This record gives sequence, structure tokens and C-alpha cells, in this order.
Amino acid sequence: EVQLLESGGGLVQPGWSLRLSCVASGFTFSSYAMSWVRQAPGKGLEWVSGISGSGGGTYYADSVKGRFTISRDSSKNTLYLQMDSLRAEDTAMYYCAKVDRISGVLIRPFDYWGQGTLVTVSS
Amino acid sequence: QSALTQPASVSGSPGQSITISCTGTSSDVGGYNYVSWYQQHPGKVPKLMIFDVSNRPSGISDRFFASKSGNTASLTISGLQAEDEAHYYCASYTSTNTVTFGGGTKLTVL
Repeated sequence: EVQLLESGGGLVQPGWSLRLSCVASGFTFSSYAMSWVRQAPGKGLEWVSGISGSGGGTYYADSVKGRFTISRDSSKNTLYLQMDSLRAEDTAMYYCAKVDRISGVLIRPFDYWGQGTLVTVSS
Repeated sequence: QSALTQPASVSGSPGQSITISCTGTSSDVGGYNYVSWYQQHPGKVPKLMIFDVSNRPSGISDRFFASKSGNTASLTISGLQAEDEAHYYCASYTSTNTVTFGGGTKLTVL
């Protein structure tokens, strides 16, 4: 059974940093691309970032480019999202999502989602 | 990156059919066959319903049908059931190498 377990969320002040983690199980982690998708309270879904199965390809939404960094550690079956210079508008539930193939992180669908970790940016 | 345009809400009675539209541009929906649809019940995680414009993952009911014409993708749900009441989001690959979602549509089963 595919499981994705996010952690690392919390309440931080504007300008601070936070690192989210997503531990994957139930599939061969290195064989699948992964993404982060967020959802502000009461709002819709917003794609944040994606990474290929090899980790060689990374992609970002314009709203986070230059501030967020996605990475993965296949030895730990873990996906990360380093979030720097956080802003109030980054407040959201952050979901880790598995892509259905090793490549094509931007064109392939998200077939499994974690339960999410809540990030709140407020002074 | 502009979100794709979806109606804020649609409604239908049990047994009826409804269609949710998702309008983009030639740089996203119209330019590629990489449109997917997700269902999200309140307080729950999104669930993949459709990928590559019109394909259903295994386990998804054939009451869910999707298509695309020009810059607009559509999701049709036939034989509406109470359990279909949820938010529905479309998503598409874009020419700027990103993914964009629609604003979401709340489906109410009357």
C-alpha cells in the first residue's frame, strides 16, 4: 500500500525558513517522480514544485522560484521541500504527491497524495 | 501562471448528469493532452479521477467521463450520487514548464 507521510509544518514568522519532509513507503521511491502541492485555507490547489525520479530535474511555480528548493533522498525514501524567506501567502496545507512514472513530472498525474502538513506564516 | 477557469459551483439531482468546464489557453489546456481531474471531499485528500484528458485510473467509475475541445476541458458525471458531492479540480501542464490547477468547482447533489 502506497503511503506518503508529511511532516515539518508549523507556525513561523515571515522571513523564516522551514523544511518539509515526506516519507514514502509501499513503492520503489526512486522509480517515481514526486511533487509538492499546496492548498491555502478554504482555497484551491496550487502546484508548488516537482522533481524527477532521479532527482536530476527540478521544477518550480513562479510564486516560489528562488525561495523554495525541492530534493529527494532515495536512501531514506524521503522527499523534501526547503522553504526560505517565507511569506504570509505561503500559509497552506502542503501535500506530497506521487507521480505515476519516473519522468514526466509535469505532464503525468498525481496518483497518490499524503495527508498534508500545515504551514502557517504569521507574525 | 494564471489558474484555469472553472465555475465556482454546479448542482444536480440524484440520477442526473452534470458537466464541469475547465477553460485555459493554447499554452496549457489547448496545447497539450495533459489534463487531469481531481475530486476532493471536505477535509479529505485529493483523488485522481481522470488523466491525459479522458483516461480513468483503475477503480474509477465509468460514470465519470472527460473530454477536451480547443482550450476547454470538461468533466461529465452521469447518474449523480450523493457521494459525488465534492470539490473538483482540473490541472494541466503549461508551456512554461509548470502545472496549473483550476480554481475548483463545488458540486452539490440536491
